[in-house]
Amino acid sequence: DGGITQSPKYLFRKEGQNVTLSCEQNLNHDAMYWYRQDPGQGLRLIYYSQIVNDFQKGDIAEGYSVSREKKESFPLTVTSAQKNPTAFYLCASSGDRFYEQYFGPGTRLTVT
Amino acid sequence: AQKITQTQPGMFVQEKEAVTLDCTYDTSDQSYGLFWYKQPSSGEMIFLIYQGSYDEQNATEGRYSLNFQKARKSANLVISASQLGDSAMYFCAMRERTGGYNKLIFGAGTRLAVHP
Repeated sequence: DGGITQSPKYLFRKEGQNVTLSCEQNLNHDAMYWYRQDPGQGLRLIYYSQIVNDFQKGDIAEGYSVSREKKESFPLTVTSAQKNPTAFYLCASSGDRFYEQYFGPGTRLTVT
Repeated sequence: AQKITQTQPGMFVQEKEAVTLDCTYDTSDQSYGLFWYKQPSSGEMIFLIYQGSYDEQNATEGRYSLNFQKARKSANLVISASQLGDSAMYFCAMRERTGGYNKLIFGAGTRLAVHP
């Protein structure tokens, strides 16, 4: 079954700690994306990557970092510099039909 | 800059009736794409329907259709014969191409409640 996996579904961290969210896809898509969603709001783009070893900052990249060493994987690190890290994080990959994005199930991060 | 506007924070509809969710967009590009996604309470985003700017006919996918009015820059989603399982958040999005990269710009969403 092709798809996108994100783990874990729920993640709890103490303030000041870095945390890495995993995203893996087996759709053979070149492009991958990370979004943040706050309660009752839309999606905001954090980082995106068109190909391996290349990524671009989105609208709210401050306090986040990514890597793209493999086509299948696009992990997101939420650093201690991110002021309000508690949110729902969605990973997506993009096909080349209409460039529609397929989303993973999301990770709900809570930092206290 | 490109922008998507969804002016209805919440809508409700009676089961089996049709409902229209509004979406307007702003772009100076001639070639663009418009998408609708559904987000149930579980959180995953489900792709519903796509409309290309050069498509002459409105897109349809089962009970979903997209009412595309290019001159008015609107791309409203019509759900026919609503079902209880249609209760969810609905997001309109537009494909933006910048510097050789494709990305999606999302609206704020509309929460749809289907009543029995």
